[in-house]
Amino acid sequence: GAVVSQHPSRVICKSGTSVKIECRSLDFQATTMFWYRQFPKQSLMLMATSNEGSKATYEQGVEKDKFLINHASLTLSTLTVTSAHPEDSSFYICSAIHRDPTDTQYFGPGTRLTVL
Amino acid sequence: LAKTTQPISMDSYEGQEVNITCSHNNIATNDYITWYQQFPSQGPRFIIQGYKTKVTNEVASLFIPADRKSSTLSLPRVSLSDTAVYYCLVGDMNNRDDKIIFGKGTRLHILP
Repeated sequence: GAVVSQHPSRVICKSGTSVKIECRSLDFQATTMFWYRQFPKQSLMLMATSNEGSKATYEQGVEKDKFLINHASLTLSTLTVTSAHPEDSSFYICSAIHRDPTDTQYFGPGTRLTVL
Repeated sequence: LAKTTQPISMDSYEGQEVNITCSHNNIATNDYITWYQQFPSQGPRFIIQGYKTKVTNEVASLFIPADRKSSTLSLPRVSLSDTAVYYCLVGDMNNRDDKIIFGKGTRLHILP
């Protein structure tokens, strides 16, 4: 199957700093990637849709100025959490659409963000 | 985007066949049905995808009735390592405006 990677897998930062998370499709090109957030014992919550070469589409309630998304190439999307606060601590997961043979969404391994 | 409903949790024993059913009454013509498995602190892992009838791969089978308003994931002879959360998702990934919204999933607990 298609492989999606994320980096870093785990990050701890101080309140007020910014953190960048990378999502890469390793063996396929992805025009569309998604970013999710997951709190303990809860389901994944869609934050935004990232389309290569255009602005991301954010879900209601997600601040676009706080969660900056850049999909600069067909294999890379980045999520930057700006001015992080403890309530931003969560598990962030990206996914990418692999379009062969059918359109299927593949997920990265996730990034655990802890804001102190 | 079709909304899905699954049992919140299920228990089974090692060696048993486990069937998890998902309801998606509002499925659209172009929607596919995809099942994922998620372990704690990991991203969801693709299990199987189908459009209609039956699909089988090396790890599972997916049964979809003619009206496509539900689907059943079948895991043959489960082991302890199959303890995980299973998500049924419905959507049209060919549609740029479509997006996958996760339901609560089914927490499967395999007992020895």
